[in-house]
Amino acid sequence: DAGVIQSPRHEVTEMGQEVTLRCKPISGHDYLFWYRQTMMRGLELLIYFNNNVPIDDSGMPEDRFSAKMPNASFSTLKIQPSEPRDSAVYFCASSLGQGGSNQPQHFGDGTRLSIL
Amino acid sequence: GENVEQHPSTLSVQEGDSAVIKCTYSDSASNYFPWYKQELGKRPQLIIDIRSNVGEKKDQRIAVTLNKTAKHFSLHITETQPEDSAVYFCAASTGGYGNNRLAFGKGNQVVVIP
Repeated sequence: DAGVIQSPRHEVTEMGQEVTLRCKPISGHDYLFWYRQTMMRGLELLIYFNNNVPIDDSGMPEDRFSAKMPNASFSTLKIQPSEPRDSAVYFCASSLGQGGSNQPQHFGDGTRLSIL
Repeated sequence: GENVEQHPSTLSVQEGDSAVIKCTYSDSASNYFPWYKQELGKRPQLIIDIRSNVGEKKDQRIAVTLNKTAKHFSLHITETQPEDSAVYFCAASTGGYGNNRLAFGKGNQVVVIP
């Protein structure tokens, strides 16, 4: 049973370049979450989708960050232009919805992003 | 919004002893409390969760207890082993239709000394 799949696993790029992170949620899950993890700030929720619709993007740090979910099996997180302070591990997670009942979130292996 | 705090930030235990990590939350409407384990360089993995209609849940060497009145919940690991060394994150959620977001604590580093 495939879990959440993220690509690339590692990304090293120069400041100013566009970065695109990709995520494929677990089939049948209707929630998708993007997190950023750093030593200083811990695990931060950037944005989450329900049935492909963005529900809360209040965690997106600034306009350089954008996220899309064109269909139920694919989402992207884009940073343009990238800056060194964006260096972090970015995780995607997905979960079932089942109405108002909370369901466990399952994380992908993450993308380790380094901006030089 | 919900605020989750974890204590202590780092915990060292001798192999075979028990470890307890405590989390407090601020929103009395929170009703779902998962615990995640993250080994170095790996993804967070759900190890146990509890809902507000239950006071305690156990899974082999791991247990979670919930005190809704005091708004805190704790992770208990018995007979610790070196592979239990990791960062443990607690989280809380109020749920509700269209809202499945989690508020995470900052994490506890647990070190099991062989």
